[in-house]
Amino acid sequence: SAVISQKPSRDICQRGTSLTIQCQVDSQVTMMFWYRQQPGQSLTLIATANQGSEATYESGFVIDKFPISRPNLTFSTLTVSNLSPEDSSIYLCSVGVNSQETQYFGPGTRLLVL
Amino acid sequence: AQTVTQSQPEMSVQEAETVTLSCTYDTSESDYYLFWYKQPPSRQMILVIRQEAYKQQNATENRFSVNFQKAAKSFSLKISDSQLGDAAMYFCAYRYSGAGSYQLTFGKGTKLSVIP
Repeated sequence: SAVISQKPSRDICQRGTSLTIQCQVDSQVTMMFWYRQQPGQSLTLIATANQGSEATYESGFVIDKFPISRPNLTFSTLTVSNLSPEDSSIYLCSVGVNSQETQYFGPGTRLLVL
Repeated sequence: AQTVTQSQPEMSVQEAETVTLSCTYDTSESDYYLFWYKQPPSRQMILVIRQEAYKQQNATENRFSVNFQKAAKSFSLKISDSQLGDAAMYFCAYRYSGAGSYQLTFGKGTKLSVIP
């Protein structure tokens, strides 16, 4: 498995601002993933982040709204831009291990937009 | 497109008893992985158990076991000797095992309560 940390664990933000979430892994991993979990809902994949290349976004998610950085094999950031109350969710990063067979998740970042 | 269905929004079990959570999925692929994740109120997603579709033997991890019925596309989770710490949301998830495919498809979850 992998030990994954996220910062911040929670935040309250004003409409129109942005929040950057950090994800740190204790070992080098090829692929990192960002998920959104809206209140009372399941997880939805936002994008897949490979080191050294542009992130791949799922349908319904765009880079302008969710820019992602992946500067090295142990770290990634997700920014949620131009926040609106609809962005209030838990954001989770995960990493693939065992040739990406299994994904392990970070503790999540709870975002509330007022 | 793959879908994962968990038909039990909520379940409860007496401490020390056994409970089974249901999951069905729809896919046209023959090679894939299935997972059960647990999410306690702390919101950390914790891997409970994993099953490879090519394996006929059901996966087991201590008190957790699955009943994998490939033809029926069913993947239920059995928790034996339930403990208070088992109370959580449980998500069933599917992932195609083909090269370049990493997306997990989750069900909507089952909230499990454990009664002392």
